[in-house]
Amino acid sequence: GAGVSQSPSNKVTEKGKDVELRCDPISGHTALYWYRQSLGQGLEFLIYFQGNSAPDKSGLPSDRFSAERTGGSVSTLTIQRTQQEDSAVYLCASSFALHNEQFFGPGTRLTVL
Amino acid sequence: AQKITQTQPGMFVQEKEAVTLDCTYDTSDQSYGLFWYKQPSSGEMIFLIYQGSYDEQNATEGRYSLNFQKARKSANLVISASQLGDSAMYFCAMREGLDGATNKLIFGTGTLLAVQP
Repeated sequence: GAGVSQSPSNKVTEKGKDVELRCDPISGHTALYWYRQSLGQGLEFLIYFQGNSAPDKSGLPSDRFSAERTGGSVSTLTIQRTQQEDSAVYLCASSFALHNEQFFGPGTRLTVL
Repeated sequence: AQKITQTQPGMFVQEKEAVTLDCTYDTSDQSYGLFWYKQPSSGEMIFLIYQGSYDEQNATEGRYSLNFQKARKSANLVISASQLGDSAMYFCAMREGLDGATNKLIFGTGTLLAVQP
């Protein structure tokens, strides 16, 4: 079947605007994860969903960041009032169960001007 | 706090030779998992191999093997018979715990491998 998909692949926005990033996990995968990859910070965990609930949101950098997951499937990561330091590649991953390997999507490259 | 250390920012290897990418980790948990991912220049993260902390044998997947030394807290990746397509960034990662309270991966800073013809 299809892998993890993310949209858009690229997003350029102006400082202060809100953005929404979408992730479609592999069908049947119950766990979904968001990570951020930037030059200065490497790969950082943001949030993890099990079904529609988020047991671990510890990586969200500020209250401008939020995420939700509906129907145990699609997830949306929202960044409000974007700042230049939010520029990064946002990666989504999913896994079949808690302890299985995580499969990553191609990422969304966010550029905040 | 948990931590993954990859001390080799870059490595060169001749095609068809074997190469070892180093990874050490720090955790106080007894139960954890160790992963290696490959990230080519195209950007996608490709899962390569997994080792559980209770696994007694080293994991192997085709040309990839994981040299797991628990007492030394190291989980080095060995790639045998390197191919030009192996040129990429390689990340070591760790997941702590098995209770599901957190399932996040902690990543190292990566090693950039260049395979030379």
